[in-house]
Amino acid sequence: AQSVTQLDSQVPVFEEAPVELRCNYSSSVSVYLFWYVQYPNQGLQLLLKYLSGSTLVESINGFEAEFNKSQTSFHLRKPSVHISDTAEYFCAVSETPTGTASKLTFGTGTRLQVTL
Amino acid sequence: DTGVSQDPRHKITKRGQNVTFRCDPISEHNRLYWYRQTLGQGPEFLTYFQNEAQLEKSRLLSDRFSAERPKGSFSTLEIQRTEQGDSAMYLCASSLTTSGGFRNEQFFGPGTRLTVL
Repeated sequence: AQSVTQLDSQVPVFEEAPVELRCNYSSSVSVYLFWYVQYPNQGLQLLLKYLSGSTLVESINGFEAEFNKSQTSFHLRKPSVHISDTAEYFCAVSETPTGTASKLTFGTGTRLQVTL
Repeated sequence: DTGVSQDPRHKITKRGQNVTFRCDPISEHNRLYWYRQTLGQGPEFLTYFQNEAQLEKSRLLSDRFSAERPKGSFSTLEIQRTEQGDSAMYLCASSLTTSGGFRNEQFFGPGTRLTVL
């Protein structure tokens, strides 16, 4: 069984400050890792993903995440946040193709609140 | 391509009534997933289909929940004899499975918010 832990339920930050949203996972098999973002009154949108290859992955809007297998982490970072980044962020895992299921297991989410 | 759509977006019902939600996946996607999201929690997997075959349904919350995808295109999720604890956002997602394995990128719809009075 897989599980995802997002230790921070809320992260308040000032605009233009850096931010890190933490994600740790547990799994007995190889996994894919994802970050989804949910803006108010909208559906989940994929922010970035790690499938294989380089452990550092980036999104088009300045977020990046690094897969650390030894620490079973996939923390999300941004060097300078904007008001428009205010949203709920979910970390998720799924088994790689050799697994028997492709469902996503989500963490409980981190609310990023950016203020002036 | 308009993405994953769900209907209705909101549903208010009385306890004991049956409700049915519809999901239309991205047209070329062969996998379709249902999740439930309660307030303050991440989405929780319920079931998924590959084409018309329901490959996992053990996570459906009780025998009051059922899902179908009769022609491998749209899917319905039905909840019979609704209870107040069923109040949640029901999310649908779809993905494409390739011959060499599967790409596990799931695209989500906007969800159906169910309120049981």
